[in-house]
Amino acid sequence: DVKVTQSSRYLVKRTGEKVFLECVQDMDHENMFWYRQDPGLGLRLIYFSYDVKMKEKGDIPEGYSVSREKKERFSLILESASTNQTSMYLCASSYDGELFFGEGSRLTVL
Amino acid sequence: GQNIDQPTEMTATEGAIVQINCTYQTSGFNGLFWYQQHAGEAPTFLSYNVLDGLEEKGRFSSFLSRSKGYSYLLLKELQMKDSASYLCAPSLTGGGNKLTFGTGTQLKVEL
Repeated sequence: DVKVTQSSRYLVKRTGEKVFLECVQDMDHENMFWYRQDPGLGLRLIYFSYDVKMKEKGDIPEGYSVSREKKERFSLILESASTNQTSMYLCASSYDGELFFGEGSRLTVL
Repeated sequence: GQNIDQPTEMTATEGAIVQINCTYQTSGFNGLFWYQQHAGEAPTFLSYNVLDGLEEKGRFSSFLSRSKGYSYLLLKELQMKDSASYLCAPSLTGGGNKLTFGTGTQLKVEL
Protein backbone atom coordinates (compact mmCIF):
# COMPACT_ATOMS: atom_id res chain seq x y z
CA ASP A 1 0.00 0.00 0.00
CA VAL A 2 1.06 3.53 -0.72
CA LYS A 3 1.97 5.40 2.40
CA VAL A 4 2.08 9.15 2.69
CA THR A 5 3.23 10.27 6.11
CA GLN A 6 2.88 13.75 7.52
CA SER A 7 5.12 14.54 10.44
CA SER A 8 2.57 16.11 12.79
CA ARG A 9 -1.17 15.57 13.16
CA TYR A 10 -1.68 18.62 15.37
CA LEU A 11 0.42 21.76 15.80
CA VAL A 12 -0.12 24.96 17.71
CA LYS A 13 2.11 27.89 16.79
CA ARG A 14 2.26 31.59 17.55
CA THR A 15 1.94 34.42 15.04
CA GLY A 16 5.29 35.15 13.40
CA GLU A 17 6.79 31.73 14.04
CA LYS A 18 8.39 29.75 11.23
CA VAL A 19 6.56 26.49 10.67
CA PHE A 20 7.72 23.38 8.84
CA LEU A 21 5.28 20.70 7.72
CA GLU A 22 6.99 17.56 6.50
CA CYS A 23 5.63 14.93 4.14
CA VAL A 24 7.22 11.65 3.06
CA GLN A 25 5.95 9.10 0.54
CA ASP A 26 7.28 5.61 0.02
CA MET A 27 6.12 4.77 -3.51
CA ASP A 28 8.67 6.63 -5.65
CA HIS A 29 6.00 8.98 -7.02
CA GLU A 30 7.17 11.86 -9.17
CA ASN A 31 4.42 14.28 -8.18
CA MET A 32 3.72 15.68 -4.74
CA PHE A 33 1.23 18.28 -3.60
CA TRP A 34 0.29 20.46 -0.65
CA TYR A 35 -3.35 21.43 -0.12
CA ARG A 36 -5.15 23.25 2.62
CA GLN A 37 -8.75 22.49 3.50
CA ASP A 38 -11.13 24.94 5.10
CA PRO A 39 -14.88 24.68 5.76
CA GLY A 40 -16.89 25.96 2.82
CA LEU A 41 -13.79 26.40 0.66
CA GLY A 42 -12.83 22.81 0.04
CA LEU A 43 -9.34 21.68 -0.87
CA ARG A 44 -7.15 24.38 -2.34
CA LEU A 45 -3.76 23.73 -3.93
CA ILE A 46 -0.87 25.63 -2.40
CA TYR A 47 2.18 24.22 -4.23
CA PHE A 48 3.09 21.12 -6.14
CA SER A 49 6.24 19.49 -7.41
CA TYR A 50 6.70 17.09 -10.31
CA ASP A 51 10.39 16.40 -9.79
CA VAL A 52 13.18 16.86 -7.29
CA LYS A 53 14.04 20.54 -6.85
CA MET A 54 11.11 21.51 -9.07
CA LYS A 55 8.17 23.42 -7.66
CA GLU A 56 5.12 25.09 -9.11
CA LYS A 57 2.70 27.51 -7.51
CA GLY A 58 -0.83 26.32 -7.01
CA ASP A 59 -3.88 28.50 -6.51
CA ILE A 60 -2.95 30.04 -3.13
CA PRO A 61 0.86 30.15 -2.75
CA GLU A 62 1.05 33.47 -0.90
CA GLY A 63 2.64 33.14 2.53
CA TYR A 64 4.04 29.68 1.79
CA SER A 65 7.15 28.14 0.29
CA VAL A 66 8.16 24.53 -0.36
CA SER A 67 11.24 22.38 -0.60
CA ARG A 68 11.82 19.14 -2.54
CA GLU A 69 15.42 18.11 -2.02
CA LYS A 70 14.70 14.39 -2.25
CA LYS A 71 12.10 12.58 -4.30
CA GLU A 72 10.30 11.11 -1.30
CA ARG A 73 10.10 14.30 0.77
CA PHE A 74 8.10 17.48 0.18
CA SER A 75 8.12 20.16 2.85
CA LEU A 76 5.76 23.09 3.29
CA ILE A 77 7.16 26.16 5.01
CA LEU A 78 5.34 29.06 6.57
CA GLU A 79 8.03 31.74 6.94
CA SER A 80 5.99 33.83 9.37
CA ALA A 81 2.77 32.17 10.47
CA SER A 82 -0.39 34.23 10.61
CA THR A 83 -3.79 33.47 12.12
CA ASN A 84 -5.39 33.13 8.67
CA GLN A 85 -3.12 30.15 8.05
CA THR A 86 -4.96 28.17 10.71
CA SER A 87 -6.19 25.22 8.68
CA MET A 88 -5.96 21.53 7.87
CA TYR A 89 -2.98 20.86 5.61
CA LEU A 90 -3.00 17.79 3.40
CA CYS A 91 -0.02 16.39 1.54
CA ALA A 92 -0.48 14.03 -1.39
CA SER A 93 1.59 12.16 -3.92
CA SER A 94 0.30 10.93 -7.24
CA TYR A 95 0.72 8.21 -9.77
CA ASP A 96 -1.07 8.46 -13.11
CA GLY A 97 -3.16 11.31 -11.76
CA GLU A 98 -4.61 9.51 -8.73
CA LEU A 99 -3.78 11.27 -5.47
CA PHE A 100 -2.78 9.44 -2.31
CA PHE A 101 -3.22 11.61 0.74
CA GLY A 102 -1.52 11.76 4.10
CA GLU A 103 -3.55 11.91 7.30
CA GLY A 104 -3.38 15.69 7.43
CA SER A 105 -1.82 18.22 9.79
CA ARG A 106 -4.14 20.50 11.70
CA LEU A 107 -2.32 23.77 12.34
CA THR A 108 -3.59 26.38 14.76
CA VAL A 109 -1.88 29.78 14.76
CA LEU A 110 -2.57 31.86 17.85
CA GLY B 1 -9.49 29.75 -14.13
CA GLN B 2 -11.28 26.73 -12.81
CA ASN B 3 -14.91 26.54 -11.79
CA ILE B 4 -16.41 23.45 -10.18
CA ASP B 5 -19.98 23.29 -8.96
CA GLN B 6 -21.59 20.57 -6.83
CA PRO B 7 -24.39 20.70 -4.25
CA THR B 8 -23.32 21.54 -0.73
CA GLU B 9 -25.49 19.02 1.09
CA MET B 10 -27.73 16.05 0.34
CA THR B 11 -29.76 13.74 2.53
CA ALA B 12 -30.90 10.24 1.60
CA THR B 13 -32.37 7.16 3.22
CA GLU B 14 -30.52 3.94 3.96
CA GLY B 15 -31.02 1.47 1.09
CA ALA B 16 -31.90 4.18 -1.42
CA ILE B 17 -30.02 5.51 -4.46
CA VAL B 18 -28.48 8.98 -4.60
CA GLN B 19 -26.91 10.90 -7.48
CA ILE B 20 -24.37 13.65 -6.78
CA ASN B 21 -23.87 15.99 -9.73
CA CYS B 22 -20.82 18.00 -10.64
CA THR B 23 -20.33 20.57 -13.39
CA TYR B 24 -16.95 22.00 -14.22
CA GLN B 25 -15.20 24.53 -16.41
CA THR B 26 -11.46 24.11 -16.57
CA SER B 27 -8.60 25.16 -18.82
CA GLY B 28 -7.12 21.87 -19.96
CA PHE B 29 -8.84 18.65 -18.95
CA ASN B 30 -7.54 15.10 -18.61
CA GLY B 31 -10.28 13.33 -16.73
CA LEU B 32 -12.34 13.51 -13.57
CA PHE B 33 -11.84 11.96 -10.15
CA TRP B 34 -14.30 11.39 -7.34
CA TYR B 35 -13.02 11.15 -3.78
CA GLN B 36 -14.77 10.27 -0.53
CA GLN B 37 -13.84 11.99 2.70
CA HIS B 38 -15.15 10.99 6.12
CA ALA B 39 -15.07 13.60 8.86
CA GLY B 40 -11.60 14.03 10.29
CA GLU B 41 -9.99 11.78 7.70
CA ALA B 42 -8.07 12.22 4.46
CA PRO B 43 -9.85 11.85 1.10
CA THR B 44 -9.78 8.41 -0.50
CA PHE B 45 -10.08 7.53 -4.17
CA LEU B 46 -13.46 6.35 -5.51
CA SER B 47 -13.35 6.60 -9.30
CA TYR B 48 -11.69 8.10 -12.35
CA ASN B 49 -13.36 8.81 -15.70
CA VAL B 50 -11.39 9.72 -18.81
CA LEU B 51 -13.85 8.77 -21.56
CA ASP B 52 -17.51 9.66 -21.83
CA GLY B 53 -19.89 7.20 -20.27
CA LEU B 54 -20.57 5.25 -17.13
CA GLU B 55 -17.98 3.42 -15.03
CA GLU B 56 -19.42 0.95 -12.55
CA LYS B 57 -17.61 -0.29 -9.48
CA GLY B 58 -19.77 -2.21 -7.05
CA ARG B 59 -22.32 0.06 -5.37
CA PHE B 60 -20.67 3.16 -6.83
CA SER B 61 -20.83 4.35 -10.44
CA SER B 62 -19.50 7.49 -12.05
CA PHE B 63 -20.53 9.16 -15.30
CA LEU B 64 -18.72 11.69 -17.46
CA SER B 65 -19.75 13.90 -20.37
CA ARG B 66 -16.70 15.82 -21.57
CA SER B 67 -18.64 17.93 -24.04
CA LYS B 68 -21.06 19.10 -21.35
CA GLY B 69 -18.49 19.49 -18.57
CA TYR B 70 -20.65 17.26 -16.39
CA SER B 71 -20.17 14.28 -14.14
CA TYR B 72 -22.18 12.45 -11.54
CA LEU B 73 -21.51 9.92 -8.83
CA LEU B 74 -24.24 7.34 -8.25
CA LEU B 75 -24.41 5.51 -4.94
CA LYS B 76 -26.74 2.52 -4.70
CA GLU B 77 -28.01 0.56 -1.69
CA LEU B 78 -26.95 3.34 0.61
CA GLN B 79 -25.44 2.41 3.95
CA MET B 80 -24.94 4.55 7.05
CA LYS B 81 -21.18 4.40 6.48
CA ASP B 82 -21.66 6.25 3.18
CA SER B 83 -22.31 9.43 5.16
CA ALA B 84 -19.32 11.52 4.09
CA SER B 85 -18.23 14.36 1.86
CA TYR B 86 -17.88 13.55 -1.85
CA LEU B 87 -15.35 15.59 -3.78
CA CYS B 88 -15.44 16.16 -7.52
CA ALA B 89 -11.93 16.77 -8.91
CA PRO B 90 -11.08 17.46 -12.55
CA SER B 91 -7.54 16.52 -13.50
CA LEU B 92 -5.78 19.22 -15.49
CA THR B 93 -3.26 18.96 -18.28
CA GLY B 94 0.28 20.15 -17.73
CA GLY B 95 3.12 19.18 -15.45
CA GLY B 96 2.07 17.21 -12.40
CA ASN B 97 -1.43 16.39 -13.68
CA LYS B 98 -2.73 18.42 -10.80
CA LEU B 99 -6.23 18.01 -9.46
CA THR B 100 -8.48 20.90 -8.59
CA PHE B 101 -11.29 20.18 -6.16
CA GLY B 102 -14.87 21.28 -5.74
CA THR B 103 -16.03 22.24 -2.26
CA GLY B 104 -17.59 18.82 -1.83
CA THR B 105 -21.08 17.48 -1.24
CA GLN B 106 -21.86 16.48 2.33
CA LEU B 107 -24.08 13.38 2.16
CA LYS B 108 -26.08 12.36 5.18
CA VAL B 109 -27.63 8.89 5.16
CA GLU B 110 -30.57 8.47 7.51
CA LEU B 111 -32.52 5.46 8.72
